[in-house]
Amino acid sequence: KAGVTQTPRYLIKTRGQQVTLSCSPISGHRSVSWYQQTPGQGLQFLFEYFSETQRNKGNFPGRFSGRQFSNSRSEMNVSTLELGDSALYLCASSLGDREDTGELFFGEGSRLTVL
Amino acid sequence: LAKTTQPISMDSYEGQEVNITCSHNNIATNDYITWYQQFPSQGPRFIIQGYKTKVTNEVASLFIPADRKSSTLSLPRVSLSDTAVYYCLATGFQKLVFGTGTRLLVSP
Repeated sequence: KAGVTQTPRYLIKTRGQQVTLSCSPISGHRSVSWYQQTPGQGLQFLFEYFSETQRNKGNFPGRFSGRQFSNSRSEMNVSTLELGDSALYLCASSLGDREDTGELFFGEGSRLTVL
Repeated sequence: LAKTTQPISMDSYEGQEVNITCSHNNIATNDYITWYQQFPSQGPRFIIQGYKTKVTNEVASLFIPADRKSSTLSLPRVSLSDTAVYYCLATGFQKLVFGTGTRLLVSP
C-alpha cells in the first residue's frame, strides 16, 4: 500500500510569489491534514479536509488556503509569500470517519524556502 | 481538543528503559491517547495508541491509568536511533493539535 506522497519535496520562492503544494493520501483515506513546521514554532496545524470540505482550521492568515478533490488528493496554496513562510509543510492522511481513532500517516514533507 | 503536557526534554543512555509521562486532564470520553515519534526533517511516525490500561507493540508500551488523566510511554532498552522528539496527543476523528513534544537524547 503506497504511503502519503507530497510534491514537490523542495522548492525555493521569492517574497511575494505564491506556491502550491500537493498531497496524495493513502488509498481509502478521506481526511487530509496540513501542518507547518518551523524550528521556532514546532508543528502547527493549518487545516483539515474531509470529503472535499474543510472540517477544521488552525490559526493561520487567509494567505494559506487549501482544497481537496473528489479522489481525496489535496493541495494547499500560500499566496504573497513572506520570509517567515519558510518551513517544512507536512501532509497527513487518515480515515477521517467516526471509526478514525486519530492515527495519522504523514508524508515526507515539502520544504519551502522563501528568499 | 484536549491539551496535553509532557516534559520538554529527557536524557538517557543506550540500553536503559525510558518512560515519558504525559498529562491530559480534560481528555474526552471518546479520545484515544496516541504517541508519535519524529526525526529531524521527517514527518511524525505513529508509535502506539491506547484507550485504557496497557498496550504493547514491538516498539513500545503504553500505560494508561483508570482515570485516563495521564499516560506513560515506555521505550525498553533505548538505542542511539531512538533520539527523536516524542509527541503525546489525545485523538479522535477531529484533527490534531501537536504540542511541543519531548526531545529524547540517547547517549552512548
